[in-house]
Amino acid sequence: ETGVTQSPTHLIKTRGQQVTLRCSSQSGHNTVSWYQQALGQGPQFIFQYYREEENGRGNFPPRFSGLQFPNYSSELNVNALELDDSALYLCASSLGLAGAYYEQYFGPGTRLTVT
Amino acid sequence: AQKVTQAQTEISVVEKEDVTLDCVYETRDTTYYLFWYKQPPSGELVFLIRRNSFDEQNEISGRYSWNFQKSTSSFNFTITASQVVDSAVYFCALSEASNTGKLIFGQGTTLQVKP
Repeated sequence: ETGVTQSPTHLIKTRGQQVTLRCSSQSGHNTVSWYQQALGQGPQFIFQYYREEENGRGNFPPRFSGLQFPNYSSELNVNALELDDSALYLCASSLGLAGAYYEQYFGPGTRLTVT
Repeated sequence: AQKVTQAQTEISVVEKEDVTLDCVYETRDTTYYLFWYKQPPSGELVFLIRRNSFDEQNEISGRYSWNFQKSTSSFNFTITASQVVDSAVYFCALSEASNTGKLIFGQGTTLQVKP
């Protein structure tokens, strides 16, 4: 059974640019959540996708957007990058609506550096 | 308001010592879930345990044990006979049944186990 995978591993972008991060969920999992983890901090919830629809969003501006595809893989898009967007972006998948009822399995993350 | 506090930023112990990581949470929900995750240097969050708010029984898994006390809103984690491989950042997290999908993480405790 393949776990959660994310690509790319590392990314360097310039302020103002746009970035797309990708996540493949674990086999059989229909829910994907995205988290941002700044250096030395705990992960912060960005949003969750359940069966291709956004289901819950944290305190992130609209320039953070996402998609979930029919195979339940997901993308996180960030427009107009700011220096504070530099962080580790973690994707987690679960069998159903996450957190309360189902365990979330995390991928290795994408390290984004904005210069 | 929901909040998780891990007051210990860093802990350093010598191998074979016992160590307890503290976690205090705040929530207004009566139904909620508490988690512990381990984050090794590779970055991937590894699930350790989930407890629901109605189950205050302590749990033991090998060298790991968890003490959940609703009266003090605490969910502490003890590693017995620590090993160098236990060195990592440990996160406590909260999920409320009314806020499906969102894990609220503490700041994390960095544990260093020296040989």
